[in-house]
Amino acid sequence: SQQGEEDPQALSIQEGENATMNCSYKTSINNLQWYRQNSGRGLVHLILIRSNEREKHSGRLRVTLDTSKKSSSLLITASRAADTASYFCATSNTNAGKSTFGDGTTLTVKP
Amino acid sequence: NAGVMQNPRHLVRRRGQEARLRCSPMKGHSHVYWYRQLPEEGLKFMVYLQKENIIDESGMPKERFSAEFPKEGPSILRIQQVVRGDSAAYFCASALRTGGHNEQFFGPGTRLTVL
Repeated sequence: SQQGEEDPQALSIQEGENATMNCSYKTSINNLQWYRQNSGRGLVHLILIRSNEREKHSGRLRVTLDTSKKSSSLLITASRAADTASYFCATSNTNAGKSTFGDGTTLTVKP
Repeated sequence: NAGVMQNPRHLVRRRGQEARLRCSPMKGHSHVYWYRQLPEEGLKFMVYLQKENIIDESGMPKERFSAEFPKEGPSILRIQQVVRGDSAAYFCASALRTGGHNEQFFGPGTRLTVL
């Protein structure tokens, strides 16, 4: 398996529910980032969390990082139909190097 | 401050032709990354460039693919003698090097279709 694997591959929920997506990685990292991609579009940066941070919030988004387990989670609270998209985690092991992406979680929020 | 610009947004080529994809980073950004995304997959790193230098090309196929980021002008990803397997979305990202993180800002992508 590759660095930055998301779990589950697909998630379907009702509007108003919370959505949790997980990301696991294998090697040490400098930071981990979450992105959203709407179908056929580019990537939108959501949150960057550094290796010395455990939790970050941004609006309805909450990201946690557990470096001992090499895992991160993205929680979207009070989901909306507009949150329907694919969500990717990306890891980087340097301050300015490449990011390694997983294959993403496809989230569907039903109105 | 305009975001990362990529053109063309859609490119159709026949097998054996050349494809040139352009990326203009955000103003002040000197780091450019190219990624390729096949359908239903995540982005795969191809190459990382700074002005006039290739820093990391570990994701670039050994043949037919090349990239440059000249002192003036956009970064170019060039694919020679395209094959059907090159059909994908190609994304460019740019970053401003600061201490501690490397948030990458992505362009809208170029969707290459090889007939």
